[in-house]
Amino acid sequence: NAGVTQTPKFQVLKTGQSMTLQCAQDMNHEYMSWYRQDPGMGLRLIHYSVGAGITDQGEVPNGYNVSRSTTEDFPLRLLSAAPSQTSVYFCASSPLLAAASYGYTFGSGTRLTVV
Amino acid sequence: AQTVTQSQPEMSVQEAETVTLSCTYDTSESDYYLFWYKQPPSRQMILVIRQEAYKQQNATENRFSVNFQKAAKSFSLKISDSQLGDAAMYFCAYRSLGLSNAGGTSYGKLTFGQGTILTVHP
Repeated sequence: NAGVTQTPKFQVLKTGQSMTLQCAQDMNHEYMSWYRQDPGMGLRLIHYSVGAGITDQGEVPNGYNVSRSTTEDFPLRLLSAAPSQTSVYFCASSPLLAAASYGYTFGSGTRLTVV
Repeated sequence: AQTVTQSQPEMSVQEAETVTLSCTYDTSESDYYLFWYKQPPSRQMILVIRQEAYKQQNATENRFSVNFQKAAKSFSLKISDSQLGDAAMYFCAYRSLGLSNAGGTSYGKLTFGQGTILTVHP
């Protein structure tokens, strides 16, 4: 099925470990983004990309890196995991042109726990 | 920067009754899009309804409708004939067209409210 695929669905990390959350979409969407969801705070934007080779920071970028080498993939890297990064992470995509008329297509989320 | 506020952390409704979820937002842009998303326990984000700011007519999707008050910057969601399957977290979201940002970096960004947990009682 077409859509946004996130892996893994669950992950437990130790403080200081690094890892990459994977995100892939097969809809040829130019716009991709990463959000984190925390109780009482809604979804907050971490990083986003408007096309291959172009990324920018969102509201809460510290501790995270992204790259966009292809249109399909937008991985999120945690450099040195901290307990404050315990959260649910969502990847989302949308077309860029006339993008505002679309809601995003979301992945199913990754629940990350840092101990 | 735009902000979205949902002042009701939790709401409840009886099955078959009507409930309204509130949302206000702050922006200096004249054109934008507003959305309501539903997040059931499965965690999947589901688009419920969208509203284009330049359209005065309120959007409707089956049992879901909005009351869009542009001057008041208010965007409430009304759920009629509530069903058990409507129980979920609901998020209000604002999508920028970046028209007030010379660098265009706000274009397409989606800003979410804090969410409202809706409980439906049988």
